[in-house]
Amino acid sequence: GAVVSQHPSRVICKSGTSVKIECRSLDFQATTMFWYRQFPKQSLMLMATSNEGSKATYEQGVEKDKFLINHASLTLSTLTVTSAHPEDSSFYICSARASSYGYTFGSGTRLTVV
Amino acid sequence: AQKITQTQPGMFVQEKEAVTLDCTYDTSDPSYGLFWYKQPSSGEMIFLIYQGSYDQQNATEGRYSLNFQKARKSANLVISASQLGDSAMYFCAMRGVGNEKLTFGTGTRLTIIP
Repeated sequence: GAVVSQHPSRVICKSGTSVKIECRSLDFQATTMFWYRQFPKQSLMLMATSNEGSKATYEQGVEKDKFLINHASLTLSTLTVTSAHPEDSSFYICSARASSYGYTFGSGTRLTVV
Repeated sequence: AQKITQTQPGMFVQEKEAVTLDCTYDTSDPSYGLFWYKQPSSGEMIFLIYQGSYDQQNATEGRYSLNFQKARKSANLVISASQLGDSAMYFCAMRGVGNEKLTFGTGTRLTIIP
């Protein structure tokens, strides 16, 4: 089946530093990937849609300069949280459309900014 | 705009009993897809079942079935013979026509009691 590999699964960083999260589609080509953020006990909120070879489309209220998305190949999309602050601490998860109706999710990254 | 409503924040069900998780939706799209995902405490999103708006029959996948009532705009998930491993968060989601983005409900936390 379609697999999306997401790394790292957990990361702790100091306030002011940047963190990169990678999502790779292992056995299919993902022209589009989606990045979500999930606060504890809440739903998934779409942050941006990542398109291979073009600029990402950000949802309203998401700072594009803080959450940099790069989709340089058909199998890799990255989310970089720049100048991270404690309020950026959250669960970040990516997904890709793997079939006519199916979406495959990565395993998520739990970011803690101290 | 699309909206998904899950009115049950939490449910407790005895093991081996059937459980119904409610989901209602609102959309003006003539064609759409409805999804259910399971999110255990580890965080990954596990695809359970899909229902297309033009599908004549309710979707079934093993112990999961989707009670799709188009006129009522509801897409309830039914889990038969619940197991302890079913304890998790369950999210209902929708995709509209010409739009790859998924809109998620707020989720229902299901706890199976031995």
